[in-house]
Amino acid sequence: AQKVTQAQTEISVVEKEDVTLDCVYETRDTTYYLFWYKQPPSGELVFLIRRNSFDEQNEISGRYSWNFQKSTSSFNFTITASQVVDSAVYFCALSAVVSGGSYIPTFGRGTSLIVHP
Amino acid sequence: NAGVTQTPKFRVLKTGQSMTLLCAQDMNHEYMYWYRQDPGMGLRLIHYSVGEGTTAKGEVPDGYNVSRLKKQNFLLGLESAAPSQTSVYFCASSYDWDRGRLQQFFGPGTRLTVL
Repeated sequence: AQKVTQAQTEISVVEKEDVTLDCVYETRDTTYYLFWYKQPPSGELVFLIRRNSFDEQNEISGRYSWNFQKSTSSFNFTITASQVVDSAVYFCALSAVVSGGSYIPTFGRGTSLIVHP
Repeated sequence: NAGVTQTPKFRVLKTGQSMTLLCAQDMNHEYMYWYRQDPGMGLRLIHYSVGEGTTAKGEVPDGYNVSRLKKQNFLLGLESAAPSQTSVYFCASSYDWDRGRLQQFFGPGTRLTVL
């Protein structure tokens, strides 16, 4: 069975602060994929990043960075110099093999980030 | 290129009524999914399909049925709606490449209220 835990239900910061969203996952598979999605107040879900289990390099995209550590089964997401437009619910997801051989994602419960001006 | 579309956007049902939610995608994706989103519960998988004519149960399938008669469409049915099925329903699709390992593309959601 696979599981994703996002222990932070809600985070509130002031604009320009850095913020890290935690994601801890559980799986017995050696091959798996991790994702982050953003859900702004408008409601749509937007893909941010995918990382496979064999690639532990950290990634940076503008103000966004991701830290993948297999040793602690974590895939954390940091926003540097947060902005009001970053206010959203962020979901971490794990895709591992289910019966039938397909990779089906499991989502965490999400972290609501509120950035105050 | 519309991506993933969902019909309807909003619906109010009375307990015991039935309805069908339609999901359509124009990206030729093999994989399609239905999720429900409830406050504090994240996205929970109801059913999914890995190809035309195939469906499988997800985490919370009870009270729902699905059909994938055409590759581009994935229908979610509620035979006898219950208040516990009040939720926002999202459809998603993904490529078949590497058995669905790529990211999912989501529809805009359907807000369903069961009275």
